[in-house]
Amino acid sequence: AQSVTQLDSQVPVFEEAPVELRCNYSSSVSVYLFWYVQYPNQGLQLLLKYLSGSTLVESINGFEAEFNKSQTSFHLRKPSVHISDTAEYFCAARYNQGGKLIFGQGTELSVKP
Amino acid sequence: EAQVTQNPRYLITVTGKKLTVTCSQNMNHEYMSWYRQDPGLGLRQIYYSMNVEVTDKGDVPEGYKVSRKEKRNFPLILESPSPNQTSLYFCASSRFLASNYEQYFGPGTRLTVT
Repeated sequence: AQSVTQLDSQVPVFEEAPVELRCNYSSSVSVYLFWYVQYPNQGLQLLLKYLSGSTLVESINGFEAEFNKSQTSFHLRKPSVHISDTAEYFCAARYNQGGKLIFGQGTELSVKP
Repeated sequence: EAQVTQNPRYLITVTGKKLTVTCSQNMNHEYMSWYRQDPGLGLRQIYYSMNVEVTDKGDVPEGYKVSRKEKRNFPLILESPSPNQTSLYFCASSRFLASNYEQYFGPGTRLTVT
């Protein structure tokens, strides 16, 4: 069965430090990958997505993720985080046969001053 | 403004008292879905709908019902709520079921069943 695994449930980090949130997905011939962000008391918002083409995708607020087929990973990175990045981040995958989104368990990013 | 709305945002109820959580989208999306979010489990799909009058079970459908009589609305019905249905619920919608279409999420409904 398809699955998405986020390896860290909580990631505390200091402001302006780099961060990596890890995500692994179960291998498939065709997979589409997403990162969603959930700010406190809000719904989920799409942060970035990989559909095809360049394996490095970027968001407008400085996050990036790299699709790595050999390692079945789609880790999210930011070189310098802000307090406002504090949120829960969900990695999700969509496989060809059903189209539904399969979510990872979520990673709480806590940025401290 | 394109959005998915849910009501109520917060609800506390007692075991066995039927309730409905409404979901509405104004983007003319065909696909709609309900998820529940629980700590450590991420989001799990309850039910989804590919279009009007077309619904199907997700991963955790037990204890829930849905209907899709109109394209914009997709209510979630709990006929006899139980404490294990205490959770945060999200409705989502997207165009079609194609993989490159983004899902838009509502703000969530926090349900407590005592």
